[in-house]
Amino acid sequence: EIVLTQSPGTLSLSPGERATLSCRASQSVSRKYLAWYQQKPGQAPRLLIYAVSTRATGIPDRFSGSGSGTDFTLTISRVEPEDFAVYYCQQFGTSHTFGGGTKVEIK
Amino acid sequence: QLQLQESGPGLAKPSETLSLTCTVSGGSISSTNSYWAWVRQPPGKGLEWIGSVYYTGSTYYYPSLQSRVTMSVDTSNNHFSLKLTSVTAADTAVYYCARINRSWFDPFDIWGQGTMVTVSS
Repeated sequence: EIVLTQSPGTLSLSPGERATLSCRASQSVSRKYLAWYQQKPGQAPRLLIYAVSTRATGIPDRFSGSGSGTDFTLTISRVEPEDFAVYYCQQFGTSHTFGGGTKVEIK
Repeated sequence: QLQLQESGPGLAKPSETLSLTCTVSGGSISSTNSYWAWVRQPPGKGLEWIGSVYYTGSTYYYPSLQSRVTMSVDTSNNHFSLKLTSVTAADTAVYYCARINRSWFDPFDIWGQGTMVTVSS
C-alpha cells in the first residue's frame, strides 16, 4: 500500500499569504494518479487538482499543483478567506489512498 | 447536473451489517464513463477509500476491508449499495459515495453529502 504523508499538519496563515502544502509518497506515484481535495467543516471533499497540476472545473487559478515521483506540492498563491479548510492528497495508481490532511487555518 | 445522495440507518449494532445506498440523479448509473465509490471518514480523522463498483457489477475493494465489504449496483433504480459486515466501533464514520470519471484509476469528481453511521449497542 502506498502511504501518503502530508505536512505540515496545520498551517496558520493570514489572508493574502502564500500556502505551500506537501504530500510525500512511500513509493513513486505516476503524475496522472495524484490529486488534491479541499474539505470544509461539515462538507464533502471537493476535487481541486488531478494529474498533479490540472485544476478541476471551476477551481480558481490561485490553486496550483506540482511535483513528481514521491514529492508533490499544492500551492495557494494568495489565501482567500474561503480557502481555510483541510486539504488532502490522494493517489490512485495502486488502490486508492489519501494523506492525513493539512489544515489551513486563520492566523 | 449529476448528484449523489446517501441513505441508510444512522445506527448499527456491533457485529451486525451496515447497509447504505447511494442514489444517483441527473445522470445514469449505467454510463460507461462512470465508476462509483464509497469513502468513509471517522470523526475528526482523514479519508479512507472502501471500494468501487462499475454498473456491470465489477468491483474493486480496499484490501484491508475486502473480507467484509460487498458493493452492488441496481441499474433499474439508479443506485448502488454498500454492505459492511461484522461492524465494530471502529467503523463509526461519515460514509460518502462518490463518482469516479472514466476509469477505476481516476479521482473522485462528484461526492454525496455524506451520512453519519454510528456503531453502538
